[in-house]
Amino acid sequence: AQKITQTQPGMFVQEKEAVTLDCTYDTSDPSYGLFWYKQPSSGEMIFLIYQGSYDQQNATEGRYSLNFQKARKSANLVISASQLGDSAMYFCAMREVNTGNQFYFGTGTSLTVIP
Amino acid sequence: GAGVSQSPSNKVTEKGKDVELRCDPISGHTALYWYRQSLGQGLEFLIYFQGNSAPDKSGLPSDRFSAERTGGSVSTLTIQRTQQEDSAVYLCASSLTSGDPNGYTFGSGTRLTVV
Repeated sequence: AQKITQTQPGMFVQEKEAVTLDCTYDTSDPSYGLFWYKQPSSGEMIFLIYQGSYDQQNATEGRYSLNFQKARKSANLVISASQLGDSAMYFCAMREVNTGNQFYFGTGTSLTVIP
Repeated sequence: GAGVSQSPSNKVTEKGKDVELRCDPISGHTALYWYRQSLGQGLEFLIYFQGNSAPDKSGLPSDRFSAERTGGSVSTLTIQRTQQEDSAVYLCASSLTSGDPNGYTFGSGTRLTVV
């Protein structure tokens, strides 16, 4: 079974609008971390936001917030007030504390911001 | 340096040749990871180094792949007798520890093309 599932291969959003990128995960480990990364055309992976499985509140970092629904095993990324520079690939990832050695990545969502 | 440095940034090689990819992690980061990203795919875990511990090689796809990390710093990923299916972007990442909640810092990758 896929550890991380991103069902939106491509998304479009109007500049200044908000957009939600979907991510669901699968784990039996009660302790885990969820991450979002941005990969622009330059290829570098840029860390955006982190959510721990025991965190009570949704994580926020500037215009990024993570909509964490533990019972549904979803960790959607919300980008508010989209900017042209937000156009990139976005990857959801998970690390299980009891394995600890690797991140599991989804296949990514390509976001295009339209002026 | 300030970030994770990978070299070369691009490598074109003939099928059957050996290649070496280099990763220079952030100074002081004890954990180092190699991932492979094929076109349109997510990231595939290859190998993980943590300090002086034996590396986790569970993601290496075949015995043509090997990696070493000298002095707990620079790492080299070697692919012997390259095949066309080895064509991908090879990403290196480092973190302070494997449990660093801020995730990994990635390099810009090496784009390997086997012709």
